[in-house]
Amino acid sequence: AQSVTQPDIHITVSEGASLELRCNYSYGATPYLFWYVQSPGQGLQLLLKYFSGDTLVQGIKGFEAEFKRSQSSFNLRKPSVHWSDAAEYFCAVSTGGGNKLTFGTGTQLKVEL
Amino acid sequence: DGGITQSPKYLFRKEGQNVTLSCEQNLNHDAMYWYRQDPGQGLRLIYYSQIVNDFQKGDIAEGYSVSREKKESFPLTVTSAQKNPTAFYLCASKTSGRSNEQYFGPGTRLTVT
Repeated sequence: AQSVTQPDIHITVSEGASLELRCNYSYGATPYLFWYVQSPGQGLQLLLKYFSGDTLVQGIKGFEAEFKRSQSSFNLRKPSVHWSDAAEYFCAVSTGGGNKLTFGTGTQLKVEL
Repeated sequence: DGGITQSPKYLFRKEGQNVTLSCEQNLNHDAMYWYRQDPGQGLRLIYYSQIVNDFQKGDIAEGYSVSREKKESFPLTVTSAQKNPTAFYLCASKTSGRSNEQYFGPGTRLTVT
């Protein structure tokens, strides 16, 4: 069965600093990978997705993620964090042929001014 | 505007009562999903439906029921058999095809006392 691990429950960064949120997945074939962001009490917004092709994908709000097959990872990065980026971030995986997403437990990002 | 609506935003019920959460989408999406979110546990799939009049159990279907009589609507009933119903419930939808990009509604917070 597929699974997703987000090892960092909480991360605090200073505004303007760079950010990397970690995501590791477990699945035999090449998965479809997603990063979502959730503000408190709100639904989830898709930041970016990887299906195939270029392993570095660009998303909204200046985020990017890199798929590394050898490490089973799909880490999310941003060069310079803004205070408005404070939120919870979820990594998710899909087997592609199926219709279900499996989510990680999330990483709560706090931004210090 | 196209999107997914969930109502109400907050719902309070007494223990032992069934309650139905609404989910409507005007995106013309075929598939719809219900997730439950608890702190520190990410999102867990309750039920999903790929076409009208058909639905499948997700990972935590016990104590829940759904119907899919119209393409636009996928209501979720939380029954009295659900042992811990207090949670944040999120509805999502996606188009047919290989992409498993799901779009989420704003969520309903259910509190049962």
